[in-house]
Amino acid sequence: DAGITQSPRHKVTETGTPVTLRCHQTENHRYMYWYRQDPGHGLRLIHYSYGVKDTDKGEVSDGYSVSRSKTEDFLLTLESATSSQTSVYFCAAHSSGGVDEQFFGPGTRLTVL
Amino acid sequence: DAKTTQPPSMDCAEGRAANLPCNHSTISGNEYVYWYRQIHSQGPQYIIHGLKNNETNEMASLIITEDRKSSTLILPHATLRDTAVYYCIVRGLQGAQKLVFGQGTRLTINP
Repeated sequence: DAGITQSPRHKVTETGTPVTLRCHQTENHRYMYWYRQDPGHGLRLIHYSYGVKDTDKGEVSDGYSVSRSKTEDFLLTLESATSSQTSVYFCAAHSSGGVDEQFFGPGTRLTVL
Repeated sequence: DAKTTQPPSMDCAEGRAANLPCNHSTISGNEYVYWYRQIHSQGPQYIIHGLKNNETNEMASLIITEDRKSSTLILPHATLRDTAVYYCIVRGLQGAQKLVFGQGTRLTINP
């Protein structure tokens, strides 16, 4: 997993509550990403970061916000969780803008009731 | 980034070579072909990448056709632990790696 951890690993919450997922990396990677994966689908990019305080939207960013105040941490926030945000969330990171591989975390399974 | 097409599923006998095809007919000259795999809901794992030459590493080989419109990932001696969903992804080098995952190929290795 190249030093990428996610917390919590599992969470059940109720509609309308705020939720924050944390991604932590120990390899000083510059780029970090949040993806979601729904049953029978590949991963879809939510937001990404290309440096501290530098973030941008991905393919499915509505309803999500992110923050990166330190190189090692990338937070994903659901301001008001909805059932459609029930999913498995993966964080990823890599170091350069070139051809190197992207390392993925173990995932967070979020259920919104 | 160019779109890729992969068969939804494939089977292979343990110990045999697994050949996973991928079509990427709209690939542009500066785009690389990447392969990742995802084993049973774990985070995806990088396997290999290439531009136009064939590539080999400790996990697999990647064969890219001369016109670069298709490629094949080869697992030379498949084991049960190679059962996974394999994703073929095409991307350029500009900026962040915004990987676009399709449905992938579900490879089942049979004993």
